[in-house]
Amino acid sequence: AQSVTQLDSHVSVSEGTPVLLRCNYSSSYSPSLFWYVQHPNKGLQLLLKYTSAATLVKGINGFEAEFKKSETSFHLTKPSAHMSDAAEYFCVGGDTGRRALTFGSGTRLQVQP
Amino acid sequence: EPEVTQTPSHQVTQMGQEVILRCVPISNHLYFYWYRQILGQKVEFLVSFYNNEISEKSEIFDDQFSVERPDGSNFTLKIRSTKLEDSAMYFCASSVAGGPGDTQYFGPGTRLTVL
Repeated sequence: AQSVTQLDSHVSVSEGTPVLLRCNYSSSYSPSLFWYVQHPNKGLQLLLKYTSAATLVKGINGFEAEFKKSETSFHLTKPSAHMSDAAEYFCVGGDTGRRALTFGSGTRLQVQP
Repeated sequence: EPEVTQTPSHQVTQMGQEVILRCVPISNHLYFYWYRQILGQKVEFLVSFYNNEISEKSEIFDDQFSVERPDGSNFTLKIRSTKLEDSAMYFCASSVAGGPGDTQYFGPGTRLTVL
């Protein structure tokens, strides 16, 4: 069964510095992987997704993630953090034959001025 | 851009009461879902619904829960005889197709508080 692990519950960066949010997955099959972001009082918004095409996936707002099968990782990065990036980020997996998504525990990103 | 909407944003109920959480999925979507997040825990899948039937459900989704699409726009989650441990944020989602790589679009959630 699919499981998704977010390695950091809280990450704090300064505005203008790089962002790295870490995610590892385990799956018996080729997974589909997503990153969602949740701003306060808003729904979960899709940032990007990987579905076995290109391993480097570009998303909205300058975010990207690289699927590394050898490391079972799907880390989210952004070259330069903006204050508006402060939010909760979820790494999410989809598994072959299932409709259910499996969520990581979330990483709260804080951006300091 | 079309969005999934949910009402109410916050529901307070007494233990043992029935609650109905409402969702309006994106209009051309065919697959509908409920998830929940108990405070401090992961978001958990409850149920998926397609063609007026439950297509997948988790262990959490027992006889206390039911889902319905009463008309062409609404999708509801009913919780009978609520318990304290049902207090959580409940998210509705919808998707065009139901495969593992198909994007599920989420609503803002309903916070359910059971007293």
